[in-house]
Amino acid sequence: GAVVSQHPSRVICKSGTSVKIECRSLDFQATTMFWYRQFPKQSLMLMATSNEGSKATYEQGVEKDKFLINHASLTLSTLTVTSAHPEDSSFYICSATTGTHNSPLHFGNGTRLTVT
Amino acid sequence: AQKVTQAQTEISVVEKEDVTLDCVYETRDTTYYLFWYKQPPSGELVFLIRRNSFDEQNEISGRYSWNFQKSTSSFNFTITASQVVDSAVYFCALKEDTGRRALTFGSGTRLQVQP
Repeated sequence: GAVVSQHPSRVICKSGTSVKIECRSLDFQATTMFWYRQFPKQSLMLMATSNEGSKATYEQGVEKDKFLINHASLTLSTLTVTSAHPEDSSFYICSATTGTHNSPLHFGNGTRLTVT
Repeated sequence: AQKVTQAQTEISVVEKEDVTLDCVYETRDTTYYLFWYKQPPSGELVFLIRRNSFDEQNEISGRYSWNFQKSTSSFNFTITASQVVDSAVYFCALKEDTGRRALTFGSGTRLQVQP
């Protein structure tokens, strides 16, 4: 079945540094990838939608200069948390899909980010 | 705008009890998709079911069953003879056929099954 690989699974970084999270579709071409954030004991909230080769669309309240998304190929999207702060500590999870509305969504296993 | 409501924040049952997790959704689309996911403590999302708006047949998969009722905009999930391994957070989600194609998640229901 379709697999989405997300790395790293856990990362601890110091305040002020940047962290890059990768999301790869292993056996299908992901024209669209979604990035979600989940704070402890809360739901998954969509941060942004990225389409291959174009700029990401961010949800209201999500700072695009802080959460840089790159979707340069059909199999890879990256989320970079720039100048991370403790309040950015969260669980980040990506999902990928092909181009049609009826196509399934496949989720990565998530990245637990802790900013100290 | 789409919305998913899971009114039950936390449910605790004793093993072998049946338990139903409620999900109510809102959408203006006539074509949409409903999902249930399980999230164990490790964090990954485990896909359980996807149902499109034109298929109101209830579904059973082992101990799991789903009741989809368009008249009440509900898509409830029942676990029969619950087990300790069923302990997790369960999310109901909605995807509309128009507009953005991301899933909108409910707030989740934390299920604890006591031995």
